[in-house]
Amino acid sequence: ETGVTQTPRHLVMGMTNKKSLKCEQHLGHNAMYWYKQSAKKPLELMFVYNFKEQTENNSVPSRFSPECPNSSHLFLHLHTLQPEDSALYLCASSQVTEGRTNEQFFGPGTRLTVL
Amino acid sequence: GQSLEQPSEVTAVEGAIVQINCTYQTSGFYGLSWYQQHDGGAPTFLSYNALDGLEETGRFSSFLSRSDSYGYLLLQELQMKDSASYFCAVRPEDSSYKLIFGSGTRLLVRP
Repeated sequence: ETGVTQTPRHLVMGMTNKKSLKCEQHLGHNAMYWYKQSAKKPLELMFVYNFKEQTENNSVPSRFSPECPNSSHLFLHLHTLQPEDSALYLCASSQVTEGRTNEQFFGPGTRLTVL
Repeated sequence: GQSLEQPSEVTAVEGAIVQINCTYQTSGFYGLSWYQQHDGGAPTFLSYNALDGLEETGRFSSFLSRSDSYGYLLLQELQMKDSASYFCAVRPEDSSYKLIFGSGTRLLVRP
């Protein structure tokens, strides 16, 4: 248990569906992240939120829409996805302080399959 | 930009020592981190090198040489449970939040 939970753990959706991924952190951290992990590729940073404000958007297609209602919750809304979007989506949180490690705590991920 | 390179796979026997290398091209960064990820699990933080030299945490050690653009993770007294993927990551100077990850090294520990 890392203190970061994600639901659902597995999701299968068609290209015309709309679904949402949820992440919650119980660590009191000030930053939350969405990553995409595909086979044999580096973790790809998608979005970063600091105190509910989006600070990074790594050129992610608009079919992925993040939402951060408070510093403990993070959502990723999905619509009209493509089969190549099938991957493990990981949420992470960290307490960002200048000069510190920025150690990130990851959730277990949502395994997404787009048919 | 930044990129980090790691070997894709490493195999070693139980009880041995293994070194996983990470070479990088980056314009500037705060430090080098290492994460472990078991199959089906979440990445977990292992170590961080802000300065050149060796950092030791139990059976695991991590090394950084900025002049050589190189770092490594050293695992001693290997155990079967160490079979996992290991990722190096850097925090670029132009971001307080971002981590750039390598593609990962899959370590297989054999009896």
